[in-house]
Amino acid sequence: DGGITQSPKYLFRKEGQNVTLSCEQNLNHDAMYWYRQDPGQGLRLIYYSQIVNDFQKGDIAEGYSVSREKKESFPLTVTSAQKNPTAFYLCASSIRGVKNIQYFGAGTRLSVL
Amino acid sequence: SQQGEEDPQALSIQEGENATMNCSYKTSINNLQWYRQNSGRGLVHLILIRSNEREKHSGRLRVTLDTSKKSSSLLITASRAADTASYFCATDSRSNFGNEKLTFGTGTRLTIIP
Repeated sequence: DGGITQSPKYLFRKEGQNVTLSCEQNLNHDAMYWYRQDPGQGLRLIYYSQIVNDFQKGDIAEGYSVSREKKESFPLTVTSAQKNPTAFYLCASSIRGVKNIQYFGAGTRLSVL
Repeated sequence: SQQGEEDPQALSIQEGENATMNCSYKTSINNLQWYRQNSGRGLVHLILIRSNEREKHSGRLRVTLDTSKKSSSLLITASRAADTASYFCATDSRSNFGNEKLTFGTGTRLTIIP
């Protein structure tokens, strides 16, 4: 099946710990995105990447880091500098230069122990 | 800051009735999209309307766009229980190159009562 796979579905972080959320796509899309969603809220952009080995900060990048070493993969690390990491994290991808219709994974719910 | 603001924040209607939700935005756009999110899941694209279009239909969905008022509406006709979800508008701002990021609104939570 073609699509976007996020893992794990649930993740728990201890104080001071860095955790990494996985996002893999087999849609051959160039662009990938990470969003944060808080309860009852819309999506806020953390980071996005339009091409391998390049990425840009979104609206709330502080306390997060990403890499884009392969077209298929765009992992997000929630660092210990992110003091309020509890949220639902969504990864998306899209074809560059077209309509920017985004395809989403099923999300990772991160909680703090 | 959020580009789009949906109205109402929550809406409950009887099955079979029509549901209308609105989205307002602040800056010029290339297109506006509507997405649906079932509880605890990812978003699914529903429909896209370009800035030079005024109305678009897809099945039971009807979207309008008024660029002079910077607003859009999504109408779902003959609602079904399975339409229960949150609906988000997303705007694609103008850019001189390639893909541009989307800015999502705060969403309308729609509940269809059987």
